[in-house]
Amino acid sequence: DAKTTQPNSMESNEEEPVHLPCNHSTISGTDYIHWYRQLPSQGPEYVIHGLTSNVNNRMASLAIAEDRKSSTLILHRATLRDAAVYYCILRAWNAGNMLTFGGGTRLMVKP
Amino acid sequence: DGGITQSPKYLFRKEGQNVTLSCEQNLNHDAMYWYRQDPGQGLRLIYYSQIVNDFQKGDIAEGYSVSREKKESFPLTVTSAQKNPTAFYLCASSSGTGGNNEQFFGPGTRLTVL
Repeated sequence: DAKTTQPNSMESNEEEPVHLPCNHSTISGTDYIHWYRQLPSQGPEYVIHGLTSNVNNRMASLAIAEDRKSSTLILHRATLRDAAVYYCILRAWNAGNMLTFGGGTRLMVKP
Repeated sequence: DGGITQSPKYLFRKEGQNVTLSCEQNLNHDAMYWYRQDPGQGLRLIYYSQIVNDFQKGDIAEGYSVSREKKESFPLTVTSAQKNPTAFYLCASSSGTGGNNEQFFGPGTRLTVL
């Protein structure tokens, strides 16, 4: 899986939108962009994934740059329960077996 | 509810003992995975199985063993050969292994060697 770069940490106020960036300049044309998050002492949770077009689901939105070298996970209204480590991962269409987790972004949400 | 269960949540082991961690899923997924997570680190793949009666080593398989006799179950044994087994162990499953398939994770087992 290709490498991604994320900020180590970000802060947000409750009820405000959060934009979590991810750079993936070496992405190939068939790599999917996946986002997972991990709350303290829990297993990772799938958030969203996309290939080229922006994606929306009940948890978040994924905005993918036109050149696909970066993407942004958007939480529309942060809650205290959104405080977690967010991982951006690239997976080839024939990824096989595993997810390669980097360091992720630790999101802190202030009341 | 469909999902993945892991047991026990906490496990303590004396040095030299083998222990088995349970992972069960009722999502009808073909693929299952075991990861290890150390404090402040990402996940590392131990073993994976794409289908019943078949499994492959991941990046850090030494000192671990698995079996996949049933689609729903993928137990992990941590043997005495594993030099530093204290960690958080996570089981996951997915319907396929392609890039368009998300993985679903269990709640994890925290293993401590005394």
